[in-house]
Order: sequence, then structure tokens, then C-alpha cells
Amino acid sequence: AQSVTQLDSQVPVFEEAPVELRCNYSSSVSVYLFWYVQYPNQGLQLLLKYLSGSTLVKGINGFEAEFNKSQTSFHLRKPSVHISDTAEYFCAVSVAYKYIFGTGTRLKVLA
Amino acid sequence: NAGVTQTPKFQVLKTGQSMTLQCAQDMNHEYMSWYRQDPGMGLRLIHYSVGAGITDQGEVPNGYNVSRSTTEDFPLRLLSAAPSQTSVYFCASRRDRTEAFFGQGTRLTVV
Repeated sequence: AQSVTQLDSQVPVFEEAPVELRCNYSSSVSVYLFWYVQYPNQGLQLLLKYLSGSTLVKGINGFEAEFNKSQTSFHLRKPSVHISDTAEYFCAVSVAYKYIFGTGTRLKVLA
Repeated sequence: NAGVTQTPKFQVLKTGQSMTLQCAQDMNHEYMSWYRQDPGMGLRLIHYSVGAGITDQGEVPNGYNVSRSTTEDFPLRLLSAAPSQTSVYFCASRRDRTEAFFGQGTRLTVV
């Protein structure tokens, strides 16, 4: 069965510092990988996606993620965070007809 | 182009009442899904559809019914509301295995 693990439920970080949000997945078949962001009281919006090709994927708002097949990871990074990046971030895999989400990581950017 | 529209945005139900959460998309997407979001649990799949007339259960289907008579609409029915169904519900649609588009959510409280 497929699953997604986000080990960090909350990540506090100071403004302008770098951040990494971790995501590991398990699947016996090929997957597509995604990061979504949810701002308070809103729906989810796509940050970036890995379908194939280059393992380093760039997304919106300066975020990027690296697909590592051997470690089954898809960690999200940003070199310098802003207060406006405070939100909840979800890693997801797409397998056949289903999307499977991780439990989310709440990023809190401190002034 | 409205994307994915959910109604209502907020709802309070008494235990035992029934209601329907509406979801409509105008992108001609084949795949539609319903998720519930609970603190610390991420998004869990309730039901999904791969086209008009075709639905299937996700990981938490008990207490919910769906139907898909048109490509555009995918309503979620609560048959007899229970306090355990207090949650935020999201509808999503997508064309294939790639990016999903989410509605703004319905915040449901069952008292």
C-alpha cells in the first residue's frame, strides 16, 4: 500500500532563515509527487510537482524540492523564508486514481 | 472560470440530521474526490469518482454517500450526522494523475 510520511508536525523558523520540510513516501509502483500549501481558512494550492525528468523541481514563491528515489523522499526547501510563508504544507502522492496526503507540517515563521 | 465551487461554506447540524454538501467544477475534469481534514490527520479520502456514473470508496467512507450523474457535479451526502463528522470537507477535481484543484472547503459542526 502507498503511504506518505511527514515526520515534522510543526516547524518554527526565523524570518530569512532557510527551511526544509521533510516528506517520505512508500510505493511499489511509480508515483507522481506534489507539495501543496494551505493558508488559514483556505483550500489547498499547488506549490510544485514531480512527474518525471529532473529530480530538482522548482515551484512558486521560491520553493523547491528534490526527488530522491533511493531514499523515497521528496523534501521541500526554501533558502530564505518570509512571514507570509506561515501556512500548513502537505506532501502528496498520486497513484492510479487516488491522491494520498501526508499529515501536514505547520510552518511558523517568526519575526 | 470558477474552478471548484463548494457550498455551503459553513454548516451546523444536529445529530441525526441529514444534508448534502455540494461540489461543482467547470474544468471538465474526469476525476473528483471528497476529503475531510481533521487536526493532525491531514486529508483523508472519503469517496472519489473517475467519471460520470462511477464512484468508489476511499479510506473513510462510513456515514457518507456520493453519486456522479454529471461530469460537473459531485455531491456528498451525510445520511445521519454524528459529532464524529465534525470536520472541514474539501472537494477536489483533476484531469488525470497530475495537479488537483481544490474548493475552499465546508466547515461542518455536528452538535
